[in-house]
Amino acid sequence: QSVLTQPPSVSAAPGQRVTISCSGTSSNIGSNYVSWYQQVPGTAPKLIIHDNNRRPSGIPDRFSGSKSGTSATLAITGLQTGDEADYYCGSWDSSLNPFYVFGSGTTVTVV
Amino acid sequence: QITLKESGPTLVEPTRTLTLTCTFSGFSLNNSGVGVAWIRQPPGKALQWLALIYWDDDKRYSPSFNNRLTITGDTSRNQVVLTMTNMDPVDTATYFCVHSHTTIAFAIDHWGQGTLVTVSS
Repeated sequence: QSVLTQPPSVSAAPGQRVTISCSGTSSNIGSNYVSWYQQVPGTAPKLIIHDNNRRPSGIPDRFSGSKSGTSATLAITGLQTGDEADYYCGSWDSSLNPFYVFGSGTTVTVV
Repeated sequence: QITLKESGPTLVEPTRTLTLTCTFSGFSLNNSGVGVAWIRQPPGKALQWLALIYWDDDKRYSPSFNNRLTITGDTSRNQVVLTMTNMDPVDTATYFCVHSHTTIAFAIDHWGQGTLVTVSS
């Protein structure tokens, strides 16, 4: 079972906006940066957001991230069929021996 | 250009030890700020972070694996090796080798293609 909690699925029509939540605790999201990954089935994940809200080179500004307290949110605007994928949040957990944790994953469907 | 590639057995018997090798290029493990980690994904399930080795040979492990994991680095060969003891069918998964860096708060910016490991007798 994943440490960070995400909704199993979200859906919207092309051109619409979707948001994906990621809920954690004070030891992970509450005190560390959040990243987001996009995984098209059958392929390796791809980093789309790091440091809560920064996009790597080549990631369109339709993708944005935010964080508040122990939760984070990924927003996708102008939804496209190519955005259909699984999305995972990730963060470090500042335990005595720090380790990285992932969310449970959210499937985005363009209907 | 950073690339990573996993290699190792595709089939492991229960109770045996799994050894996976990550061979990478485009960076050096002794470059300040670098990390190489292992992540796995059981079929149809979420990502699970396993272990990471830093440029200074410091290491981090997921507490979920009860000391079954060991990660080592070989800077001369540009390789990182993961061993996992006492394999069980629930350890069947695709195992990914990944690159991480302090400039992105050790998020994961490059992934290998992954290798599917099946645990079965």
